[in-house]
Amino acid sequence: NAGVTQTPKFRVLKTGQSMTLLCAQDMNHEYMYWYRQDPGMGLRLIHYSVGEGTTAKGEVPDGYNVSRLKKQNFLLGLESAAPSQTSVYFCASQDGPGELFFGEGSRLTVL
Amino acid sequence: AQSVTQLDSQVPVFEEAPVELRCNYSSSVSVYLFWYVQYPNQGLQLLLKYLSGSTLVESINGFEAEFNKSQTSFHLRKPSVHISDTAEYFCAVIRFTGGGNKLTFGTGTQLKVEL
Repeated sequence: NAGVTQTPKFRVLKTGQSMTLLCAQDMNHEYMYWYRQDPGMGLRLIHYSVGEGTTAKGEVPDGYNVSRLKKQNFLLGLESAAPSQTSVYFCASQDGPGELFFGEGSRLTVL
Repeated sequence: AQSVTQLDSQVPVFEEAPVELRCNYSSSVSVYLFWYVQYPNQGLQLLLKYLSGSTLVESINGFEAEFNKSQTSFHLRKPSVHISDTAEYFCAVIRFTGGGNKLTFGTGTQLKVEL
């Protein structure tokens, strides 16, 4: 029973490089989310999706793009990485209101 | 504006002692309230939730939280902590303002249980 799976778990980028984080869920949930977690700041919502083919901006969307081509997958892209994007990224899918299932996180370092 | 405030960034406590992790929210509309726990190098897990009904809610591992509307609080308590409770705890809220049901998280409280 995989739940929410994120790949890769670790990545080091140079400033200006691009990359994509993949999130996959096997629970048939409609809602999916991407958060970033930084020390002392809790979790901040980057983008979210309420269903296949739909995406919306969260609290801190600048510098990120997302796609939800298939219901089970939610991709987070960084077009031109910056040191300020060094963070731990979490994907989550939603069952009932507020009931999120999180992946184990992807630790990204931008040099 | 911060809608969820966790005043304590760190709470050290000895094993078998009681603990309270404080959470206050700001809202003039109805809310749902949640506590999530994050163990080291893992994602967050739902610990307990308040949606409606009884204002006292409990988790399966002995934690409880009480919704206090007049004080806009949802403090998390445990009468006797264990080493395995060492983790970061996040309070979260959904406010029903017509903008969907997205969670807003507090900044977290690191609970460190010592022998």
